[in-house]
Amino acid sequence: DAGVIQSPRHEVTEMGQEVTLRCKPISGHNSLFWYRQTMMRGLELLIYFNNNVPIDDSGMPEDRFSAKMPNASFSTLKIQPSEPRDSAVYFCASSLGDRSADTQYFGPGTRLTVL
Amino acid sequence: QKEVEQNSGPLSVPEGAIASLNCTYSDRGSQSFFWYRQYSGKSPELIMSIYSNGDKEDGRFTAQLNKASQYVSLLIRDSQPSDSATYLCAVNEGGSYIPTFGRGTSLIVHP
Repeated sequence: DAGVIQSPRHEVTEMGQEVTLRCKPISGHNSLFWYRQTMMRGLELLIYFNNNVPIDDSGMPEDRFSAKMPNASFSTLKIQPSEPRDSAVYFCASSLGDRSADTQYFGPGTRLTVL
Repeated sequence: QKEVEQNSGPLSVPEGAIASLNCTYSDRGSQSFFWYRQYSGKSPELIMSIYSNGDKEDGRFTAQLNKASQYVSLLIRDSQPSDSATYLCAVNEGGSYIPTFGRGTSLIVHP
């Protein structure tokens, strides 16, 4: 199995630009999570999808952030317009189902730098 | 608000020693507990999960859970330099599939 795939791995952009991060979960997994990790705040959950439906987006910082999951094998996280404080590593993770005992498998992450 | 607390460290231990990592949580309804290891510049990877009180052993790793005291710990026996990483504790409240992660403890195993 290829694991969770994320692209791009690195993104450098200028303030005000639109940024789109992409994720392909593990085949057969029904749950998908987007996280942001910084030194200051640690690992923060942004949004959680189950069966392609957003279940909890309470962690999305503000309206500049949006996420979609048009099908079971693809999700995007978009930031428009981007700001320097959005600089972080963004992880996508997937799990098999919707049970609390399900293990999350993380992708390699996208390191975003907003200048 | 659910909280998962970990000492940020760094915890420094000599090679061959036992490393003890601790985590406390605030939600008494928590049912599932996980330890993830994260190497610098890499993504978290699961190393242990535990769901009931007591000890669970897997090779050099032992997870310990005490729900009454609301803590979970990870012991690493015969620590190796390759164990040097940040260890994240994650806790799921019963019925919730959204884990709460601690900030992580940095472990350094020196030769």
